[in-house]
Amino acid sequence: DVKVTQSSRYLVKRTGEKVFLECVQDMDHENMFWYRQDPGLGLRLIYFSYDVKMKEKGDIPEGYSVSREKKERFSLILESASTNQTSMYLCASSSRRQVLGGYTFGSGTRLTVV
Amino acid sequence: AQSVSQHNHHVILSEAASLELGCNYSYGGTVNLFWYVQYPGQHLQLLLKYFSGDPLVKGIKGFEAEFIKSKFSFNLRKPSVQWSDTAEYFCAVSAHNTDKLIFGTGTRLQVFP
Repeated sequence: DVKVTQSSRYLVKRTGEKVFLECVQDMDHENMFWYRQDPGLGLRLIYFSYDVKMKEKGDIPEGYSVSREKKERFSLILESASTNQTSMYLCASSSRRQVLGGYTFGSGTRLTVV
Repeated sequence: AQSVSQHNHHVILSEAASLELGCNYSYGGTVNLFWYVQYPGQHLQLLLKYFSGDPLVKGIKGFEAEFIKSKFSFNLRKPSVQWSDTAEYFCAVSAHNTDKLIFGTGTRLQVFP
């Protein structure tokens, strides 16, 4: 019963490419989040969204943008991929009606930029 | 700004040993506190959470955590670990009535039989 689905498990892209990471949730959650996970740095918040067509910057938004055209889908865009964006990217969602319910995470996309 | 510190980066234990993982946060207001676990090759899962009431909270798989407000701490404990507890553990905090989580850097736990 997969609830947060990230479209790719592994991706290899070239420097300068535009990269799209897709995330879909089937729990009717209002809130969606993008984190990157790096060894020794934990999870760092890139962008989040509390509603359709709404987005807010997290702690490390530089070099990224997002799109939320539908409630269930939250896309992370790397405008021009660079090697320092090689990382594991995690999508998560949560319900506004259950603020303390915690996040549901996807399995992650491991992106390598060469 | 909020921040979370996990001072134990890598912990190695034998089965049946007791576990305590430290978590300290920095924030002046009321907070919600979480522990997440990531087993090898799996996605992050919620282990336990605290938002009010009894400062000792119990989670899944025999884990518990104690919120000590005066120390800004939310340490995770388990009396007797198992090999299957080998995983990475993340402490996280959100400001009260918000849903934006700030995570610590994680602690990698290895349990040997």
